[in-house]
This record gives sequence, C-alpha cells and structure tokens, in this order.
Amino acid sequence: DVKVTQSSRYLVKRTGEKVFLECVQDMDHENMFWYRQDPGLGLRLIYFSYDVKMKEKGDIPEGYSVSREKKERFSLILESASTNQTSMYLCASSLWGGRSGANVLTFGAGSRLTVL
Amino acid sequence: AQKVTQAQTEISVVEKEDVTLDCVYETRDTTYYLFWYKQPPSGELVFLIRRNSFDEQNEISGRYSWNFQKSTSSFNFTITASQVVDSAVYFCALSGMSRDDKIIFGKGTRLHILP
Repeated sequence: DVKVTQSSRYLVKRTGEKVFLECVQDMDHENMFWYRQDPGLGLRLIYFSYDVKMKEKGDIPEGYSVSREKKERFSLILESASTNQTSMYLCASSLWGGRSGANVLTFGAGSRLTVL
Repeated sequence: AQKVTQAQTEISVVEKEDVTLDCVYETRDTTYYLFWYKQPPSGELVFLIRRNSFDEQNEISGRYSWNFQKSTSSFNFTITASQVVDSAVYFCALSGMSRDDKIIFGKGTRLHILP
C-alpha cells in the first residue's frame, strides 16, 4: 500500500557534499512537493512541481534545486550541503486543484538528513 | 501573501476533556482550500480534512469537528472526549485552487493527552 516513497530514511553527509533525496509516488499525481520540517518552524515549502519538467520555488529554495524528469519522481538536490540543512525532509504529492481530492497531500515517511 | 497562524504551540489536556486547536489564515484569494493534518509520534503526516472557501458548513466526523468562519478567517478543530491516541502534532494548511498554487502550513500545535 506504499504511495509516496522516499529513498532514504536516514542520511549522514559531510559539509560540501552533493546530496540527492529521491521521491517516487505511484498515484499518478500531477503535483509534487518538498518540505523541510524543523522544531518550532513547522513545515516550510522548498520547491514544488505541478508537471513534468516544471518547478516552482517555495518559501525557502536557497541552497536547493529540484528535478522532475518523470511524472512519478521528484528529486531534491543539495548542491553543497551545509550544517544548517540538517533537517527532516518530507516529500508529498497531490492531484491538481479543481477535482475531488485536489490538493490533498499524501506524504512520504520523511528523510532525516544530518550534515556534519 | 498567504499565511497560516497556529498560535498554540503546545497544549496538554487530561483524557476525556474536549480541546480546540486554533487556526487563523490570511489570503488574497477569493477561492481557496483549508486543511488539517495530524502527525502522530510515528512521524508520517496524515490528512484529516479539506474544506473549500465556499462551503462554511461545520463538519463533524466522530469525535472530531471543524468550525470554519470566513468572517474571522479561522478554521478551528475540536476534539471531543479526547483520547491518548489523539496525542500528536496537528497542522493547519491553506492553498489556492490553481494548479500552480502553493500549499502553506502553520507551525503546528503539539497536543498531549494525559491519561
């Protein structure tokens, strides 16, 4: 019954390393999102995509990039990891707005990244 | 700009008490969605409810109820006869209805139900 799968549950990386966080959904959703969750700050949107090869910046895109080459896959890339990017990263997907179930997010289990 | 405010950072109540979680939102959109999500200690966020802006009817689902008031830009969540299993972090969220609209979350309210 897996719907949104994040490739790594826990990662430990070193400062300056390039980090890839992968997310795959099997619900044929148009929209995909990357959030980071930090204590006291809630969920903050990094990037989202409403179609293949489309991407939109969220509220905190600095230091991140994304890739969406296929509908089911949305990757978050940290070009040069820094310690302030230590966080829980949540991927989510949804149907596009206007339809039943639109914008209802299905979340993955999260990827906890530690940057040393 | 869109904004969601959950003023209550943390709430503790004794089991069987009723508890209300507050959510106040800001948006310039005339049509929008409001949501509540639950994040239990296991960590995975779970969808609870979606309301659209043109439906102000309150909704009840078992022990859960939601009060949507456009006049005060609020979408409050009440748990009646709380149970220990209700202990979680609860998030309120807001989005527009266009395909490229963001989905914005509040900072969450951590709810402790004490046995």
